[in-house]
Amino acid sequence: DVKVTQSSRYLVKRTGEKVFLECVQDMDHENMFWYRQDPGLGLRLIYFSYDVKMKEKGDIPEGYSVSREKKERFSLILESASTNQTSMYLCASTGLRGASATQYFGPGTRLLVL
Amino acid sequence: AQSVTQLGSHVSVSEGALVLLRCNYSSSVPPYLFWYVQYPNQGLQLLLKYTSAATLVKGINGFEAEFKKSETSFHLTKPSAHMSDADEYFCAVTGGADGLTFGKGTHLIIQP
Repeated sequence: DVKVTQSSRYLVKRTGEKVFLECVQDMDHENMFWYRQDPGLGLRLIYFSYDVKMKEKGDIPEGYSVSREKKERFSLILESASTNQTSMYLCASTGLRGASATQYFGPGTRLLVL
Repeated sequence: AQSVTQLGSHVSVSEGALVLLRCNYSSSVPPYLFWYVQYPNQGLQLLLKYTSAATLVKGINGFEAEFKKSETSFHLTKPSAHMSDADEYFCAVTGGADGLTFGKGTHLIIQP
């Protein structure tokens, strides 16, 4: 079974702090994604990566950056956290590139920014 | 560009009744369509997906969905609802290689 893990289930941070959300997958997948989930808005794509050192902006990249130094790990960075970044963050991965590929999701990190 | 509309943020059915969750999509290219379920405080699990092989797609837990190009729809159904089906369901579309576009989600409520 594919396993996608996220470093924290819950995080509480203060406005202005630098925040790191970590995601690790154990299936040697090339492609990894970060989404945020908000009530009534569904999931929205923040960033994705097709390979180590590569990154692409999704639909809502503002206020975020990412890092992919190793194939299995994809980090989401909030350079200066703000209250409007309070949300559930979900990481996903897939081994195939293409529109029909199934994405496998981690359990999510619920972030509260005070 | 693509988009997904899920009709009804909450759908309530009686236990044993038909479940119908509606999803309409818009895509400028032939779409691939997905239904995911989210269990409480967990990530998303794939229920089923349409990849153009067959218009009627069967998934896990007794769910199925039918792709109707003329109606741009991909509604999710289950003949008989169980209490354990009470979760949040997301329809998603992709027309390219760059991530999924999700609907806003539908909470399924099962009345005993």
